[in-house]
Amino acid sequence: DAMVIQNPRYQVTQFGKPVTLSCSQTLNHNVMYWYQQKSSQAPKLLFHYYDKDFNNEADTPDNFQSRRPNTSFCFLDIRSPGLGDAAMYLCATSRGGLGSTYGYTFGSGTRLTVV
Amino acid sequence: GNSVTQMEGPVTLSEEAFLTINCTYTATGYPSLFWYVQYPGEGLQLLLKATKADDKGSNKGFEATYRKETTSFHLEKGSVQVSDSAVYFCALSIGYSSASKIIFGSGTRLSIRP
Repeated sequence: DAMVIQNPRYQVTQFGKPVTLSCSQTLNHNVMYWYQQKSSQAPKLLFHYYDKDFNNEADTPDNFQSRRPNTSFCFLDIRSPGLGDAAMYLCATSRGGLGSTYGYTFGSGTRLTVV
Repeated sequence: GNSVTQMEGPVTLSEEAFLTINCTYTATGYPSLFWYVQYPGEGLQLLLKATKADDKGSNKGFEATYRKETTSFHLEKGSVQVSDSAVYFCALSIGYSSASKIIFGSGTRLSIRP
């Protein structure tokens, strides 16, 4: 089945130690998104790629970076994780262009713990 | 600006009860509207959607009607089950020239008692 896959499901990292979360998709969607979801809150958009074009949200901290080497893969890099970065990180995809009429397809998320 | 407001939870109901979760929105332009469901420890799943005024989205017994006059998209189900226990997010999508953005409400936690 076509899907969005996030690895790992659970990630524990040390305070200040760089960490990378990965997302892959078999849907061939041209838009990929990264959301941060803290406990009992709505997902918050960090950034998205439309094909190779990177779009950062204005309030996304510089500590968060992203890479998209090809259509299928997208990575979230946290350069120096702080305790406040502990959250569920959700990857999603959509078709661009008429994307407003389609929902996103989400992965199962990676729960990041910072110790 | 664009925003979504949904009723605060938690909502606790008995099995087979009628469910309504209220959702209203503010948007410039003509948004598409969605309900997403999140089961414990999982990502979000699209439950239903409506893309224009008076459209009704439906899935798994859930329904919601896009009401432009009241800027609402309330979620309803006639008879809930224990397996419906989850967090429900109302959302809107505004299309841009490059990609759409989905804006989520704060979520409503639903618990169903056997």
